[in-house]
Amino acid sequence: KAGVTQTPRYLIKTRGQQVTLSCSPISGHRSVSWYQQTPGQGLQFLFEYFSETQRNKGNFPGRFSGRQFSNSRSEMNVSTLELGDSALYLCASSLMGGPNTEAFFGQGTRLTVV
Amino acid sequence: GDSVTQMEGPVTLSEEAFLTINCTYTATGYPSLFWYVQYPGEGLQLLLKATKADDKGSNKGFEATYRKETTSFHLEKGSVQVSDSAVYFCALSDVDAGNMLTFGGGTRLMVKP
Repeated sequence: KAGVTQTPRYLIKTRGQQVTLSCSPISGHRSVSWYQQTPGQGLQFLFEYFSETQRNKGNFPGRFSGRQFSNSRSEMNVSTLELGDSALYLCASSLMGGPNTEAFFGQGTRLTVV
Repeated sequence: GDSVTQMEGPVTLSEEAFLTINCTYTATGYPSLFWYVQYPGEGLQLLLKATKADDKGSNKGFEATYRKETTSFHLEKGSVQVSDSAVYFCALSDVDAGNMLTFGGGTRLMVKP
């Protein structure tokens, strides 16, 4: 079956702009989580959505937001981009979420803010 | 809060050498433990997991044992291959912390022929 699909793969934006990233989970998966990966901070949890509701949120400013649609596809939005937002953004899906369920990751969207 | 500490890399080994990547954790609850691998230009792939004390996860020749007494989950492989070159991440998921994955900083492994 198809894996987790993230679009676009690469993105270049200017400071102050906003950006929307998309994630299509594996068919049947209802939990979608987002992570930010940077060389300095490593992998950090942004938020998790389950059945269109945000179930958990990491320690990021309000400029970072997300949503999930009825088909479980998810988008994350970053407004008023800063240079420090340059990162690889990874999406992960799982059946129900939770500590014992396997999370499947997409290839990520590499965002560069100039 | 929860945290994961793993040895810094890069770790450089010759093919067929023995691999150990150390990982220790701090958690408020009783976490599940994972090793993920990231190949260049790719996302993360689950390598193995363990959900309770003394469980041994294994996959593709890699093994790790959940040691509650030492709060460790060290990754081992008896004979590495060039194709094992990648970045390895230790992670935990703790229901008391909302089930999100908390990752270590990653260890780059380079295997030379």
